[in-house]
Amino acid sequence: QVRLQESGPGLVKPSETLSLTCTVSGGSISNDYWSWFRQPPGKGLEWIGYIYYSGTTTYNPSLKSRVTISVDTSKNHFSLKLSSLTAADTALYFCARMYNRRIDYWGQGTLVTVSS
Amino acid sequence: QSVLTQPPSVSGAPGQRVTISCTGSSSNLGAGYDVHWYQQLPGTAPKLLIYGNSNRPSGVPDRFSGSKSGTSASLAITGLQGEDEADYYCQSYDSSLSDFVVFGGGTKLTVL
Repeated sequence: QVRLQESGPGLVKPSETLSLTCTVSGGSISNDYWSWFRQPPGKGLEWIGYIYYSGTTTYNPSLKSRVTISVDTSKNHFSLKLSSLTAADTALYFCARMYNRRIDYWGQGTLVTVSS
Repeated sequence: QSVLTQPPSVSGAPGQRVTISCTGSSSNLGAGYDVHWYQQLPGTAPKLLIYGNSNRPSGVPDRFSGSKSGTSASLAITGLQGEDEADYYCQSYDSSLSDFVVFGGGTKLTVL
């Protein structure tokens, strides 16, 4: 059973860069696509981007200028960096595995608040 | 504004049947991309409910079923139970800019 766990700060200041890591256990990251999503309080799901284990990335066009997703196969984890934060980036951030274009395993999510 | 369109809310009494629609366009559902459905209970991560338009993962009751035709898809829930009260999201891919993931805005199911 694949398990994913997000880690990172819960509070970040405006204009700063958010850094989150997703650690994968119960399976190897050296396969499939690995993705980040977010959900603002009371709102729907938004896809941020995904990375193949080889390092190839695809980002949501609306966030592309601010997003970097990377993978470290030696540590079996992948990471998200989101720059130039504003209050609109306050959300529950999820990491997940994508298999055949569906999301079959999700992390529990981590709440990130952007505030000074 | 979500790429896929869902009704904001639906409701039904226990035991009844409800359906949730998901409408796309020629660059996503109409382009042949599969639709997948997720159930999100309050305070939890989404859970894959239906994949590949109509397939259920192991452990999902057969009260849940999905279908797709052209640019539209639907999720049906029969024998409604109180535990089904949740948010439901459809998801697919879109080729209009690049191969990216798209969601519906979500539908809140209330069991009366």
